[in-house]
Amino acid sequence: DTGVSQNPRHKITKRGQNVTFRCDPISEHNRLYWYRQTLGQGPEFLTYFQNEAQLEKSRLLSDRFSAERPKGSFSTLEIQRTEQGDSAMYLCASSLADSSTDTQYFGPGTRLTVL
Amino acid sequence: GQSLEQPSEVTAVEGAIVQINCTYQTSGFYGLSWYQQHDGGAPTFLSYNGLDGLEETGRFSSFLSRSDSYGYLLLQELQMKDSASYFCAVCPLTGGFKTIFGAGTRLFVKA
Repeated sequence: DTGVSQNPRHKITKRGQNVTFRCDPISEHNRLYWYRQTLGQGPEFLTYFQNEAQLEKSRLLSDRFSAERPKGSFSTLEIQRTEQGDSAMYLCASSLADSSTDTQYFGPGTRLTVL
Repeated sequence: GQSLEQPSEVTAVEGAIVQINCTYQTSGFYGLSWYQQHDGGAPTFLSYNGLDGLEETGRFSSFLSRSDSYGYLLLQELQMKDSASYFCAVCPLTGGFKTIFGAGTRLFVKA
């Protein structure tokens, strides 16, 4: 499998619980992005890694959100004390730093439902 | 602020040509990208314009005019499978590689 994978594909949780999502990018890609998408909207940027360094984080992201990419390969996104407003599709994408187009390859997403 | 504006919906018939516009307000960016997303699917890359002008990839073409803060995606010989949402996106020069997406244009292709 040479694509971006995400796990789990679906997560249902109760308000106040913590959740963690995993993203495995395309192996040679050194850039990794996390986005959130709600129905009828475009992907909303959350954060970006180049290798293991988190270089950009959206100011819209509250302190309840944290992301890591410890070895520059897979990444995790954790949401603490989930709220109903966190219900969305969480998308991961990867790209190659020296690509002239910065084509981003998206994973299938993790759909989060907070009850 | 930085924003991209797209029409929310476009309807066209099979075999026709449709143009999806994207106007933006951003101080500067690396290039304009277009992505396609089918219902329940992930966005997939279609086209990129780093320079002004037209880029052609099969049935899809994309255009950028930085002086007019405007771009478009042109889909020719429409097929039913082209029914999807289409997003324009930019990566601003300031802010690392934070990518900003438009809200998307829902394309309905009718027989």
